[in-house]
Amino acid sequence: AQSVTQPDIHITVSEGASLELRCNYSYGATPYLFWYVQSPGQGLQLLLKYFSGDTLVQGIKGFEAEFKRSQSSFNLRKPSVHWSDAAEYFCAVGAQAAGNKLTFGGGTRVLVKP
Amino acid sequence: GAVVSQHPSWVICKSGTSVKIECRSLDFQATTMFWYRQFPKQSLMLMATSNEGSKATYEQGVEKDKFLINHASLTLSTLTVTSAHPEDSSFYICSARVGGGFGQYFGPGTRLTVL
Repeated sequence: AQSVTQPDIHITVSEGASLELRCNYSYGATPYLFWYVQSPGQGLQLLLKYFSGDTLVQGIKGFEAEFKRSQSSFNLRKPSVHWSDAAEYFCAVGAQAAGNKLTFGGGTRVLVKP
Repeated sequence: GAVVSQHPSWVICKSGTSVKIECRSLDFQATTMFWYRQFPKQSLMLMATSNEGSKATYEQGVEKDKFLINHASLTLSTLTVTSAHPEDSSFYICSARVGGGFGQYFGPGTRLTVL
């Protein structure tokens, strides 16, 4: 069965600084990988996804993620964080063999210091 | 586009009562809807998958008689927590999908507190 690990429960970053959120996955086949952001009162919003091709994926709101098969990782990055980026971030893996269901990691809460 | 709403956003009920949560796709028809449960500071755990007009498929360990799911139309699914108890207190999130791919659109969630 597939699984996702997000090692960092909380990350605090200063506004304007760079941000990297770690994600490691376990899946026996070709992984379909996603990053979502959850803000209070709003549904999870898809930031970006990786299915195949270029391992560096660009998403919305200035985010990017890099797929590294050798490390089973799909880390999310942003060069310069804005206060509005404070939220909970979830990495997920999609399993075609399981009806395209999503399995989520535990989430990383990002706090932005002024 | 692709907006999913949930109602209510917040509900408090007494132990032993039943609570119904609605999930609607506002501007598209959803062939599949998913129900997740999220405990505080934890991840989303898939509870069940429902397709319009058919019985829901529950994940292992989820009591189908306790969490009744109805997907009566392509725009509405409901989750009823029957005989709720304090341990059922949680954040319930639905999502809707068009077709069979990975694209899910998530609702804002419903916080259930059982006293």
